[in-house]
Amino acid sequence: QQQVKQSPQSLIVQKGGIPIINCAYENTAFDYFPWYQQFPGKGPALLIAIRPDVSEKKEGRFTISFNKSAKQFSLHIMDSQPGDSATYFCAASFSGNTPLVFGKGTRLSVIA
Amino acid sequence: GAVVSQHPSWVICKSGTSVKIECRSLDFQATTMFWYRQFPKQSLMLMATSNEGSKATYEQGVEKDKFLINHASLTLSTLTVTSAHPEDSSFYICSASSGRVGGYTFGSGTRLTVV
Repeated sequence: QQQVKQSPQSLIVQKGGIPIINCAYENTAFDYFPWYQQFPGKGPALLIAIRPDVSEKKEGRFTISFNKSAKQFSLHIMDSQPGDSATYFCAASFSGNTPLVFGKGTRLSVIA
Repeated sequence: GAVVSQHPSWVICKSGTSVKIECRSLDFQATTMFWYRQFPKQSLMLMATSNEGSKATYEQGVEKDKFLINHASLTLSTLTVTSAHPEDSSFYICSASSGRVGGYTFGSGTRLTVV
């Protein structure tokens, strides 16, 4: 049973566009929701994260929107650039030293 | 910021040999280390969780005798792939946790190719 469902699998946007990636979770005990960016051959790098008591968080060009009642959260990338082309993973975890549960990933291509 | 050094970044080995992958937390104490495996164009799959000084807890379907995990100190954890076979070829990634919420730091990954 997949605990974090991510969509779309792939996404192509024009430079300057705003790609939106969505994730839905099932377990309401999750209390930490990060987004990671991964380039080929590299480990995932934390982009931005949110706790369930906040509905939106913005860091630079990246924004997380969080809907606790719908058990959904999304990543928006403002003014996307070709350098943003990568695979993005949403994840969730419980409190304490528990592992992150990852979505299946979204391959984003930003074309000039 | 927190840094985890993972080595080697890539390794090629012959079938039947063993390979050791190291992850070191450079500027914090990693109370817990998570080991993931990632196949091409797929997500990260948790293999095991290890706490310093304790035996690792393996996920269902992961052979503990094949993937030996040692977490002997708060700054070092190792994954040894024993008697490697071509199907073990994959990208292995460690993640160190400091114990605080969101305190996950990933290594840069190790590309293992078994020939």
